[in-house]
This record gives sequence, C-alpha cells and structure tokens, in this order.
Amino acid sequence: EVQLVESGGGLVQPGGSLRLSCAASGFTFSSYWMSWVRQAPGKGLEWVANIKQDGSEKYYVDSVKGRFTISRDNAKNSLYLQMNSLRAEDTAVYYCAQGDDSRALGYWGQGTLVTVSS
Amino acid sequence: EIVMTQSPATLSVSPGERATLSCRASQSVSSNLAWYQQKPGQAPRLLIYGASTRATGIPARFSGSGSGTEFTLTISSLQSEDFAVYYCQQYNNWPLYTFGQGTKLEIK
Repeated sequence: EVQLVESGGGLVQPGGSLRLSCAASGFTFSSYWMSWVRQAPGKGLEWVANIKQDGSEKYYVDSVKGRFTISRDNAKNSLYLQMNSLRAEDTAVYYCAQGDDSRALGYWGQGTLVTVSS
Repeated sequence: EIVMTQSPATLSVSPGERATLSCRASQSVSSNLAWYQQKPGQAPRLLIYGASTRATGIPARFSGSGSGTEFTLTISSLQSEDFAVYYCQQYNNWPLYTFGQGTKLEIK
C-alpha cells in the first residue's frame, strides 16, 4: 500500500524558515517524480514544486522560486521542501504527491499545515 | 502560463441525478487533463487522467470527456459520498502543473 506521510509543519514568523519532510513507503520511491502541492485555508490547490527521480531536475511555481528548494533522499525514501523567507501568503496545508506513469498525481499524503504569522 | 477555469463554482444537485462539471483551458492541453475529488479534511484523490481514463478503483459512474481546451466530468447518478470539491489539472506542460479553482458539488 502506498503511503506518504508529511511532517515538519508548524507556526513560523514572516521571514523565517521551515523544512517539510515526506516519508514514502509501499512503492519504489526512486522510480517516481515527486511533487509538493499546497492549499491555503479555504482555497484551491496550487502546485508548488516537482523533482525528478534522481533529483537532477527541479521545477517550481513562480511565487516560490528562489525561496523554496525541493530535494529528495532515495536511500531514505524521503522528499523534502526547504522553505525560506516565508510570507503570510505561504500559509497552507502542504501535500506531497507521487507523479505516476500518467503524469497525474496518483497518490497524496494527508498534508502538514504551515502557518506564517507574527 | 496555462490558466484552467472551472464552472460553475458551486453546483447543487439531488442524489440520484446527473452532475456535469466543466473545465476550460486557456490554450490547448491535448488530453493531458486530470480530475481530482477532495472531501473536507481529506487529501485530494485522483479520479480521471488522460481526460477520460478512470484511475484505479474509481466507480464507473464517474466519466471524463473532452480534449484541447474543453473538458467535462460527469457523475451519472450521484451518491451521498460524491458531494465534494472537484478540481481539474493540466499537465500538458509537465513537469509544470496548473489546477483549476475547483467546483463544489453540494446536495440540493
């Protein structure tokens, strides 16, 4: 059974940093693109970042470029999102998701809440 | 940037009836279109990919159609568990993704 479990969310002040983690199990993690998607309170879904199987390619939505870094550790079956210079508008539930063979997002974690507030 | 626009924002339908949700792309995305269902407090779930292919375990009452810029998600006979928010997503310029703003399907 595919499982994705996010952690690392919490309350952080504007300008601060946070590192999210996603522990994957039930599939060959190193064989799949992985993604982060966020959802602000009461709002829709916003794709944040993607990373290739070996970490050699990374893509970001414009609003986080230069502030967020996606990475992975295939030996630990883990995905990460380093978030720096956080802003109030980054407040959201952050989901990690597996990009399946169709390129859609076939499996999602339950999310971790990041709140940016003073 | 490809903009995805869903309509209506809210759709009120009675159980047992058919629901039709629309998604429009600002430029052609071919058939690179997925639909997701999200219930309150839960993660999204993939329903449809490739515009019309049901994901594993998705009931046959869910169907997708369209290509290019116009897409439709149809739920043939609404069950109580189908009332949720539905999102379309394009992946034509993968690995970049864009979601629509969502359609809330509520009980009439």
